[in-house]
Amino acid sequence: DTGVSQDPRHKITKRGQNVTFRCDPISEHNRLYWYRQTLGQGPEFLTYFQNEAQLEKSRLLSDRFSAERPKGSFSTLEIQRTEQGDSAMYLCASSPRGVTTGDTQYFGPGTRLTVL
Amino acid sequence: AQSVTQLGSHVSVSEGALVLLRCNYSSSVPPYLFWYVQYPNQGLQLLLKYTSAATLVKGINGFEAEFKKSETSFHLTKPSAHMSDAAEYFCAVSENFGNEKLTFGTGTRLTIIP
Repeated sequence: DTGVSQDPRHKITKRGQNVTFRCDPISEHNRLYWYRQTLGQGPEFLTYFQNEAQLEKSRLLSDRFSAERPKGSFSTLEIQRTEQGDSAMYLCASSPRGVTTGDTQYFGPGTRLTVL
Repeated sequence: AQSVTQLGSHVSVSEGALVLLRCNYSSSVPPYLFWYVQYPNQGLQLLLKYTSAATLVKGINGFEAEFKKSETSFHLTKPSAHMSDAAEYFCAVSENFGNEKLTFGTGTRLTIIP
C-alpha cells in the first residue's frame, strides 16, 4: 500500500475564493471519509462515501462545501466563497469494507488551508 | 449520540516513566474504540483499537489500552516512555454499524522530559 495521499499539502487563499482539495485513498478501499481539524481540537467528521455514493454529510458541511468521488476512486472537496472560519486542516481517510466491522481508517497527511 | 472526553490536554512524563493518557466515552450502543497518534504536520496513525474482542488491547510501539465498560473508559498506557513518544494522542469512538464515522476527543499532547 502506498497510503492515502492528499494534494495540496498547504493552500493559502484569500477570502471569497474557491478552493479544491484532492484525496487518493488506498487502492481497493471502498470507504472514504473527510474530516476537518482546527487548532487544538480533534478531527470532526464532514462526509462519507461508500464507493461513489455520498451517504452522509455532517451539519458542519454548509452549502458552500461539496464533495465528490467519481468512479469510486479519488475524491475532491471543494469550498466555495471561502471564509476565514474555513481555515483548518482537512483530513481524508479510507477504509476497506470487510466482512467484520470496525475496520481501521487510514489517514492521509492532510491539507492545511489558510484563508486570509 | 456518542462522545469522547480526554482528561488532560497536556501530559508530561520523564523518559522511562509510565505513560497514562485518559479517555472516557459515551455511546448508546456497543462502541468501537481507537487511539490514534499525530506527529507534527502529519496525519493520524492508528495505535490500537477495541472491537469487542479482548478487553486488553495491545498496539504498536509498546502501547496498550484496557476497555472497561463499567467505567466507560479506554485509557492508554505504556510502561516506559521514550523520547520518540512525544506527540498528540487522540481517542476516538465509532458505532458498530452504519458508516462507522469516528468521533474524536480533543487530544492530549504528550511531552517527554529527558
